[in-house]
Amino acid sequence: DIVMTQSPDSLAVSLGERATINCKSSQSVLYSSNNKNYLAWYQQKPGQPPKLLIYWASTRESGVPDRFRGSGSGTDFTLTISSLQAEDVAVYYCQQYYSKPRTFGHGTKLEIK
Amino acid sequence: EVQLLESGGGLVQPGGSLRLSCAASEFTFSSYAMSWVRQAPGKGLEWVSSISGSDDITYYADSVKGRFTISRDNSKNTLYLQMNSLRAEDTAVYYCAKDLWLRGVTPFDYWGQGTLVTVSS
Repeated sequence: DIVMTQSPDSLAVSLGERATINCKSSQSVLYSSNNKNYLAWYQQKPGQPPKLLIYWASTRESGVPDRFRGSGSGTDFTLTISSLQAEDVAVYYCQQYYSKPRTFGHGTKLEIK
Repeated sequence: EVQLLESGGGLVQPGGSLRLSCAASEFTFSSYAMSWVRQAPGKGLEWVSSISGSDDITYYADSVKGRFTISRDNSKNTLYLQMNSLRAEDTAVYYCAKDLWLRGVTPFDYWGQGTLVTVSS
């Protein structure tokens, strides 16, 4: 199974500042035949189910604000929130869908400083 | 708007059984693979099981293989998870989730609100 490792475990950022969350996979999730990274990001707010934010490592799901940006390739990925808003407080998970089973990172808790 | 509504959770003793249901609406249910994903209290997300859209191909996490059975009734737009030989470590909120695309290995684009399963004596 592909192991997904996120860092940091938790993060406190001031409103309006940038937040950066990292995700590393134990093997590449870049599929050479289509040059796509099979990596997604989810946001889970307290008491709610996860919400898909980004897939193909950098494609925002419909309705996701453009302050959320995904980047990276191969084994190293980053989720950046360019200007933190109060409603962004949540736990963020990365997930690979390169191979089964689809595995998640352990999550990064984002709070307001 | 796609809706997924889980039911069937509750308190069960170790070794007991429970059947979860997930009622789906507002999409062509039979066209999409569906999955169960669980989250233990205060913990992260763990994929549990998946089933293909119409040919009933199933997949299981090693942690539940041989104890859990996923199934679906496309005529009722409903997904099921039969859980037998339950253990304390199966305690979690169980979410049903829909595949984003019709084919291949995909992210999950819609999730239900979850149903809590507590295994305790």
